[in-house]
Amino acid sequence: ELKVEQNPLFLSMQEGKNYTIYCNYSTTSDRLYWYRQDPGKSLESLFVLLSNGAVKQEGRLMASLDTKARLSTLHITAAVHDLSATYFCAVVDNNAGNMLTFGGGTRLMVKP
Amino acid sequence: GAGVSQSPSNKVTEKGKDVELRCDPISGHTALYWYRQRLGQGLEFLIYFQGNSAPDKSGLPSDRFSAERTGESVSTLTIQRTQQEDSAVYLCASSLRGQGRSYTFGSGTRLTVV
Repeated sequence: ELKVEQNPLFLSMQEGKNYTIYCNYSTTSDRLYWYRQDPGKSLESLFVLLSNGAVKQEGRLMASLDTKARLSTLHITAAVHDLSATYFCAVVDNNAGNMLTFGGGTRLMVKP
Repeated sequence: GAGVSQSPSNKVTEKGKDVELRCDPISGHTALYWYRQRLGQGLEFLIYFQGNSAPDKSGLPSDRFSAERTGESVSTLTIQRTQQEDSAVYLCASSLRGQGRSYTFGSGTRLTVV
């Protein structure tokens, strides 16, 4: 059974600081997703990572994937208040009909 | 439609009643997923439909939960004899088959069992 673990679960940071959220998964997979969820809202797709060494950037967020280490990171550069949300990684289980398995989420609070 | 549509957006029901939640996927998306999200928690997989294949029901928490999908269109998730522990947001997602496909989520149905 595929397990996906994120850490930290909660992150409080000051505006302007940098930080990294980690996503570890337990079996081989060829696709990893990052989503953002605002309170009371649905999930917004941020990144799709398809290959080892993949790196994608959008604004202050950058995601990378190391399939050998079974690790993805979401790096936040010079955080701003608008980035406050919960971030989820999700991994496709190749052995389970391409089902998405989610990490527990990282709740990010950026303080002015 | 342009996105995944779910209805109702909110549902309050009495314990013991049955509820039916609806998901209308993006046209042409062959795969459809139901997830449950309890307050402050991550997403729990419930059930997955892919085209005309038998659905993957491995995530359904009890036999009170069932789901149907007709072809590649609308899906309904039914919860019988609701319990307070069923209170959650139920999210539906759809996707195309193929490498690199994106999963698009609906806005969810917030179910409250009182």
